[in-house]
Amino acid sequence: DGGITQSPKYLFRKEGQNVTLSCEQNLNHDAMYWYRQDPGQGLRLIYYSQIVNDFQKGDIAEGYSVSREKKESFPLTVTSAQKNPTAFYLCASSTKGQGVYEQYFGPGTRLTVT
Amino acid sequence: KQEVTQIPAALSVPEGENLVLNCSFTDSAIYNLQWFRQDPGKGLTSLLLIQSSQREQTSGRLNASLDKSSGRSTLYIAASQPGDSATYLCAVSPPGFTGGGNKLTFGTGTQLKVEL
Repeated sequence: DGGITQSPKYLFRKEGQNVTLSCEQNLNHDAMYWYRQDPGQGLRLIYYSQIVNDFQKGDIAEGYSVSREKKESFPLTVTSAQKNPTAFYLCASSTKGQGVYEQYFGPGTRLTVT
Repeated sequence: KQEVTQIPAALSVPEGENLVLNCSFTDSAIYNLQWFRQDPGKGLTSLLLIQSSQREQTSGRLNASLDKSSGRSTLYIAASQPGDSATYLCAVSPPGFTGGGNKLTFGTGTQLKVEL
């Protein structure tokens, strides 16, 4: 089955540690994205990548880093510089169909930092 | 800066009722608008995507309309069912974003509960 996988589903870390969230897609999509969701707020864009070996900062990139070495993979590292890392993290990818870029989402990773 | 607002924040209706969810955006220069459904603790499922040149899209019991000039979109759900209970999010993308993707700005969502 084609889709987007994120692992792990739940992640617990101590303050001051870096942590990497995995995102893999087998949809052959060019573009991939990372969003953060906090209670009562909409999703906010952290980073996005339109092609392999290229990525751009979104609205809240501080304290995060990404890489895009393969088309199907877009891992997100939450560094110790992120002041409030506890959140629900969602990965997405998009294709171009008739000039339209519809985004598809993974199941998410809930990160708790104490 | 684009801002997206969804009203109401929460809605509870009896099964079988037809309902409308609202989404408004401040900058009418959009490329497309997408409606999503999110179940608790889960990712987002795309429901409907309306291109800027379109007025509406339909899928089953769902109908989404777009009025760019007024910065509004509505999601109409016919004959609601308990399985429709979820949070509904709308998101817009800006024009001129070339390449292999598009950036979405999300609203905060409407939490819908359909009761038996």
